[in-house]
Order: sequence, then structure tokens, then C-alpha cells
Amino acid sequence: AQKVTQAQTEISVVEKEDVTLDCVYETRDTTYYLFWYKQPPSGELVFLIRRNSFDEQNEISGRYSWNFQKSTSSFNFTITASQVVDSAVYFCALSEANYGQNFVFGPGTRLSVLP
Amino acid sequence: AAGVIQSPRHLIKEKRETATLKCYPIPRHDTVYWYQQGPGQDPQFLISFYEKMQSDKGSIPDRFSAQQFSDYHSELNMSSLELGDSALYFCASSFSATNEKLFFGSGTQLSVL
Repeated sequence: AQKVTQAQTEISVVEKEDVTLDCVYETRDTTYYLFWYKQPPSGELVFLIRRNSFDEQNEISGRYSWNFQKSTSSFNFTITASQVVDSAVYFCALSEANYGQNFVFGPGTRLSVLP
Repeated sequence: AAGVIQSPRHLIKEKRETATLKCYPIPRHDTVYWYQQGPGQDPQFLISFYEKMQSDKGSIPDRFSAQQFSDYHSELNMSSLELGDSALYFCASSFSATNEKLFFGSGTQLSVL
């Protein structure tokens, strides 16, 4: 069965610092999808990125960047020049082909960005 | 663009009462998923429907049932509510043919007193 680990339960940084959120996954499938979702204090789940297992290119979107390393089964998320509005819980998720029970969230990392 | 709509946003019930949560997926999405997120927990998969048929089942208690209707909206029915059912309930939808991301609704916060 697949599993997602986010070892950092809580992280606090000061505004403008860079921060990396770690995500390590386990799966026996060769085809899978990795996701990051943001959950701000308002509670909704905001989609950030989806990456399939065949695409190891790192991606940058504004202040966000993702580092996918199949060799270490990691899909880390970096926020550059963090802002207070980045404060949220961030979930890494893994899906083996079909969704449903096969869409598994990690335990989440609570990021607090202090002014 | 239209998103996944859930109603109500907040619901307060007492123990042993029943509750019905509704979910309206994004137009043309054929698959609906229900997740339960307890306080400080990650979302846990409950059940999913594809083309109005149950497609997968997770950790959904027997006291809960769900269905997807002909217009693709879904309802989660919860009976004999317990204090432990207090959680944020998310609905998500996707279009199975493109295997794209799950789009989540804003959730229904259920409080059982």
C-alpha cells in the first residue's frame, strides 16, 4: 500500500525566509501522481501542483518550487521569500493510478510565517 | 470557473441525530469523492462514486451512506451521530477520462454536541 510521510509537523519562519517542506512517499506502482495541497486557516484545500511519476523535471511557479527525486522517493516543496499569507497546513498526497482509496494524504506540515 | 459546491458550510447537530451533506461537482465531472478530516488530522477517504455507482470504499462507518444522483450531485447521509463524527467533510470531483487532479469543495464543518 502507498504511504506519504511529512516528517515536519510544524515549521516557523520569519517573513522573507526561504522554507522547504519535505515529502517522502512509498509506492510499488511505477505509475503514480504526486500532489501538494494548501489548507489555509479558512479550511479549504487549495491545489498547488500535480506531478506524474514519469516527469522528474523540477517546477517553479512564482515563489513556489518543487523538487521531485525518484531516487529518494521525495517530492519537496520550497517557498522562497515566505510571506505571512503562506501560513497554512500543507499536505503532500500520492495517488496510484485511480483515485478514491488510492489518493492518500500525508499528515501535513503546519507552516507559520511570522512578520 | 465553477468549483465544487458543498452545502451547508456549517452544521451543528446533537448526538443520535441525522445529517445530510450535499455536494455538487464541477460540471462534466463524473466522479465524486468524500473525505473526512478530524481536528489536526489529514483528510481520510470515505467513499467515491463514478457515473452514479459506488466505485471505491474507504473508512466509512456503517452509520453513513452516500449516493450519487442522476445530475451527478452526491449526498452523504449520517445517522446516529456521535461526538467523534465532528469533523470537516470534503467533497472532491474529477473527470475520470483525463485523470486530472481532484478539485475539492470548501468543506462542511460538522459539529456534534
